Amino acid sequence: DTEVTQTPKHLVMGMTNKKSLKCEQHMGHRAMYWYKQKAKKPPELMFVYSYEKLSINESVPSRFSPECPNSSLLNLHLHALQPEDSALYLCASSPPSGRGETEAFFGQGTRLTVV
Amino acid sequence: GENVEQHPSTLSVQEGDSAVIKCTYSDSASNYFPWYKQELGKGPQLIIDIRSNVGEKKDQRIAVTLNKTAKHFSLHITETQPEDSAVYFCAASTPTGRRALTFGSGTRLQVQP
Repeated sequence: DTEVTQTPKHLVMGMTNKKSLKCEQHMGHRAMYWYKQKAKKPPELMFVYSYEKLSINESVPSRFSPECPNSSLLNLHLHALQPEDSALYLCASSPPSGRGETEAFFGQGTRLTVV
Repeated sequence: GENVEQHPSTLSVQEGDSAVIKCTYSDSASNYFPWYKQELGKGPQLIIDIRSNVGEKKDQRIAVTLNKTAKHFSLHITETQPEDSAVYFCAASTPTGRRALTFGSGTRLQVQP
């Protein structure tokens, strides 16, 4: 299994809703990431989990709440989002490495629309 | 932190021609340089990468070169095909500190049949 699986593929939510994005990988990777990508822009790092612990939070607003229940799963909980949060949300994972490089494999993303 | 610049932003070539995309990076400690291809509506797909102890790497029609002294690296695609049309991103990462990828701004490649 060499895939990063994200669900749902598409999500439309109101500004008062609570929803969650899910990400799963079974490659034994111990680093998992959430990225946000706006149209015609590169992916922008939001969070990094290393060995199930949050290691990087790129000053993301608290309406985005990540969770890593185990080494295969990564969730992103959404609450009280704004229309400008509409974007493609990408999950990625990387194998353990002592050399520092971060070979990241991406899922297909969740296209989020906030109305 | 690391800063990666990518050029050109758009590139149009005829089928069968070669395409070259160039990136520069700012942090001399960066040691890993992947290239991603992103098709419309999909996530980025890793197509080739190079580490700082290597100057060039080739995989069929795709090659990447790295010049550590000048802090730039390039993607070369030969014998382009219409299915090569996509957005290509370069990236760099450092072994310490942030240890996450910093992406270039992307190049939209269009291969005309």
